[in-house]
Amino acid sequence: GAGVSQSPSNKVTEKGKDVELRCDPISGHTALYWYRQSLGQGLEFLIYFQGNSAPDKSGLPSDRFSAERTGGSVSTLTIQRTQQEDSAVYLCASSSRTSGGMGEQFFGPGTRLTVL
Amino acid sequence: AQKVTQAQTEISVVEKEDVTLDCVYETRDTTYYLFWYKQPPSGELVFLIRRNSFDEQNEISGRYSWNFQKSTSSFNFTITASQVVDSAVYFCALSEPNTGRRALTFGSGTRLQVQP
Repeated sequence: GAGVSQSPSNKVTEKGKDVELRCDPISGHTALYWYRQSLGQGLEFLIYFQGNSAPDKSGLPSDRFSAERTGGSVSTLTIQRTQQEDSAVYLCASSSRTSGGMGEQFFGPGTRLTVL
Repeated sequence: AQKVTQAQTEISVVEKEDVTLDCVYETRDTTYYLFWYKQPPSGELVFLIRRNSFDEQNEISGRYSWNFQKSTSSFNFTITASQVVDSAVYFCALSEPNTGRRALTFGSGTRLQVQP
């Protein structure tokens, strides 16, 4: 079956612009996660969605970052007024376990964001 | 406080050598989950194994084996008879769902290079 997909695969933007990154999780997976991978910070958790529950936003680095998950499926991560330090690979993962954190997470290929 | 420590930044071995990747974790919860992921040069994180805190039985899967020791808070990964295709960055990760920490906390990763 299809895995987690993300688009675009690469995004180059100018400082100060807004960007939207998309994630399509594996069909039927109730949990969706966003992570960021950068050279200096490694793999960092950003936000977690589980079903209709309020998302866990504890990993978002600033209020410029936000995310939505529509219809319990597709998710969009938005970064407003991008800064150079936002340059990273943004990874999306989904999991089938209803009790989050127990099941293995399946990762997408990531979106490489470059802020000039 | 760092919760997952992978002290080995980079390891280089020659094909057919055995290699062990170390992972030490920190948690105050009695229920937690440990994971290993592989990130090959293509960039996509590949799930390898999940272990819960109540199951200390070691596991073997082909050339891969995992040694979970709660007494030393370690979850080490051994590749037997390494191959060039094993070259990748390997991440150990922890989740603590009962504390509300459902996302993965990753170690900094160990880059394994297997020379032919």
